[in-house]
Amino acid sequence: EADIYQTPRYLVIGTGKKITLECSQTMGHDKMYWYQQDPGMELHLIHYSYGVNSTEKGDLSSESTVSRIRTEHFPLTLESARPSHTSQYLCASSERGTQNTGELFFGEGSRLTVL
Amino acid sequence: AQSVTQPDIHITVSEGASLELRCNYSYGATPYLFWYVQSPGQGLQLLLKYFSGDTLVQGIKGFEAEFKRSQSSFNLRKPSVHWSDAAEYFCAVAVDRGSTLGRLYFGRGTQLTVWP
Repeated sequence: EADIYQTPRYLVIGTGKKITLECSQTMGHDKMYWYQQDPGMELHLIHYSYGVNSTEKGDLSSESTVSRIRTEHFPLTLESARPSHTSQYLCASSERGTQNTGELFFGEGSRLTVL
Repeated sequence: AQSVTQPDIHITVSEGASLELRCNYSYGATPYLFWYVQSPGQGLQLLLKYFSGDTLVQGIKGFEAEFKRSQSSFNLRKPSVHWSDAAEYFCAVAVDRGSTLGRLYFGRGTQLTVWP
């Protein structure tokens, strides 16, 4: 069973507020990812990280930012939330190098609603 | 550019019936293919994957999938569906396995409803 945790699971917040979605994994994985998921749409990669102090933007442009100060922790921050940010955000991790089977381990998601 | 198409947005089957979920991919080289399942309120869980070798792969929960290069397909099957299989199913393709990215491209998903 995967050991990757996201908090909060659900968040309803007003426009203009700053929010941080937390993601932690206990598997020692180097690679971590943030996907955005909307109903009936593909999962879109918005951020990824190869390891500590490494972060890159994904395919889908996002106003969010991420940091990777510790291997196990990959938080996502929105400085000023807007209704267009309403979505489900999925965090995932995977192994790196020769042990990389391509499998992603997902958290349960954080559903964000911005009013 | 690589892409994944799941033609069926929603499928309904009766419990005990067989199931086939379709997936087509677009990629020039040999793809690495995956099926993930997402139960309500949960993250995605890997069902099975194809990297090379035998084109029929077995996964968890009694699922299997067959890679057909000529049709660019990787359809998911199960001979007898259980009510607990009701979920959303995502097909995905990886194009740089072993690289520092390990990126997956996902389809839009197929929602499976199971009637008792």
